[in-house]
Amino acid sequence: EVQLVESGGGLVQPGGSLRLSCAASGFSFSSYWMSWVRQAPGKGLEWVASIKQDGSEKYYVDSVKGRFTISKDNGKDSLYLQMNSLRAEDTAMYYCARDEHSTWVYWGQGTLVTVSS
Amino acid sequence: EIVMTQSPATLSVSPGERATLSCRASQTVSSNLAWYQQKPGQAPRLLIYGASTRATGIPARFSGSGSGTEFTLTISGLQSEDFAVYYCQQYKNWPPEYTFGQGTKLDIK
Repeated sequence: EVQLVESGGGLVQPGGSLRLSCAASGFSFSSYWMSWVRQAPGKGLEWVASIKQDGSEKYYVDSVKGRFTISKDNGKDSLYLQMNSLRAEDTAMYYCARDEHSTWVYWGQGTLVTVSS
Repeated sequence: EIVMTQSPATLSVSPGERATLSCRASQTVSSNLAWYQQKPGQAPRLLIYGASTRATGIPARFSGSGSGTEFTLTISGLQSEDFAVYYCQQYKNWPPEYTFGQGTKLDIK
């Protein structure tokens, strides 16, 4: 059974940093692109970042370029999102998802990030 | 950036009836269009990809159509568990610039 479990969310002040993790199991993690998708409270979905199977290619939505870094550790079956210079508008539930030809079948339960002073 | 616009924002339909949800792209996305369902407190669920192909395990009452810039999700014979928010997502561009519509909330009438 495919499982994705996010962790690392919490309350952080504007300008602060946070590192999200996603532990994967039930599939060959090294064989898949992976992504982060977020959802602000009461709002719609927004793709944040994607990473190739071996980590050699990474892509970001414009609003997080230069601030967020996606990475994966295939030895630990884990996906990460390092978030720096956080802003109030980054407040959202962050989902880890497994790519299936640029769509997402498997999602985690999400981890909530709140940026507030 | 390709902007996805969904209509209506809210749709009220009676159980057993048919619901028709629309999604428009600001430029052609060919058939690179997916639909998701999301219920409160849950992660989204992929329903349709390639504009018209049902994902694994999705009931036949869900159907997608369209190509280019105009797309439709039709749910026939609405059941109680279908009342949720629905999002369209385009995945045309490479490198990826995936974008979602703002969602349509399907309400019980």
